[in-house]
Amino acid sequence: ETGVTQTPRHLVMGMTNKKSLKCEQHLGHNAMYWYKQSAKKPLELMFVYSLEERVENNSVPSRFSPECPNSSHLFLHLHTLQPEDSALYLCASSQDRGVTTDTQYFGPGTRLTVL
Amino acid sequence: EDQVTQSPEALRLQEGESSSLNCSYTVSGLRGLFWYRQDPGKGPEFLFTLYSAGEEKEKERLKATLTKKESFLHITAPKPEDSATYLCAVQDSNYQLIWGAGTKLIIKP
Repeated sequence: ETGVTQTPRHLVMGMTNKKSLKCEQHLGHNAMYWYKQSAKKPLELMFVYSLEERVENNSVPSRFSPECPNSSHLFLHLHTLQPEDSALYLCASSQDRGVTTDTQYFGPGTRLTVL
Repeated sequence: EDQVTQSPEALRLQEGESSSLNCSYTVSGLRGLFWYRQDPGKGPEFLFTLYSAGEEKEKERLKATLTKKESFLHITAPKPEDSATYLCAVQDSNYQLIWGAGTKLIIKP
């Protein structure tokens, strides 16, 4: 595997379900990100981890819970979601957080549908 | 308030018809401007980073330029495979990335 991978690619869940999204980066980076992408809207940054420590949490509802067990893996735990949470969830990584040449590289995303 | 605006929202061109996409921004202390390409159902793919006004970068049929207020992504003699959504993002003095909503480019054969 190369780059940033995400599983599953598609997920349909009911509002009472609990599920998790997984992201893995094979780039040796130290920072990882979760974004939400809705149609015709800018990417919304949800969480940032740097060296496994959460450094940013942008007023995201508590029904989204991130976990970063090591610098290569990132999870997004989902529970009691709402239909408006349906979106493409993107994971990204970068060499470091807070560096000018801090290019973010993205995974393919998980298309989430909440019924 | 920091802001990034991309125009047009959508652009339809015939194959070979050159044009430009615009990314205008207001940000405190620009550290860098990024262009990405996103195909349907996929994550954004990095294209360019520009750091200062006057800088230009090229890749195949794409050329990105930067001024103090905006960036242009020029596409020369595009092909159908250039069809995608092009995203612009600006990094401010606090290293925050502010994203535009994107321009959907459609190239007809």
